[in-house]
Amino acid sequence: EVQLLESGGGLVQPGGSLRLSCAASGFTFTNYAISWVRQAPGKGLEWVSGVSGGGGSTYQADSLKGRFTVSRDNSKNTLYLQMNSLRAEDTGLYYCALDLYHSGSFYYWGQGTLVTVSS
Amino acid sequence: QSALTQPASVTGSPGQSITISCTGSRSDVGAYDSVSWYQQHPGKAPKLLIYDVKNRPPGVFNRFSGSKSGNTASLAISGLQPEDEADYYCNSYTTSATWVFGGGTKLTVL
Repeated sequence: EVQLLESGGGLVQPGGSLRLSCAASGFTFTNYAISWVRQAPGKGLEWVSGVSGGGGSTYQADSLKGRFTVSRDNSKNTLYLQMNSLRAEDTGLYYCALDLYHSGSFYYWGQGTLVTVSS
Repeated sequence: QSALTQPASVTGSPGQSITISCTGSRSDVGAYDSVSWYQQHPGKAPKLLIYDVKNRPPGVFNRFSGSKSGNTASLAISGLQPEDEADYYCNSYTTSATWVFGGGTKLTVL
């Protein structure tokens, strides 16, 4: 059974940093691209960043470049999101999502980890 | 990259058919056949309904269908069921090597 388990969320002050993790199991992790998608409270989905299966290519939403960095450790079957200079508008539920069909779509989703940026 | 444009809300009755539009540009929806659709119930993670414009994953009812014309993609739902009441989002790959979601459409089944 495919599982994606996010962790690392929490309460952080504006300007602070967090590193989110997404632990994957139940499939060959290196074979699939995977992304971070976030959702502010009561708002819609926003694609944040993604990385290719081998980790050689990373993709980033233009609005977040310079603050967020995506990476993966295929030896640990884990995806990461390093978030720096956090702002109140970064508050939300952060999902990791797997591209099962190699099509740029997101078939498997975790349950999300909540990030709250507040003083 | 601006969000794709979806109607904020759509309403239908059980058994009816509805369509949700998703309008982008030549830089996203119009550039590739990499459009996907998601259903999200309150408090739940999104569920993939359609990928590559019109393909359904196993287990997704054939009441859900996707299409695209130019810069606009559409999700059609036939034979509306009460459990179809949810938020729906489109997504597209872009020429900037990023992905962009639509703003979401709340479907109400009265």
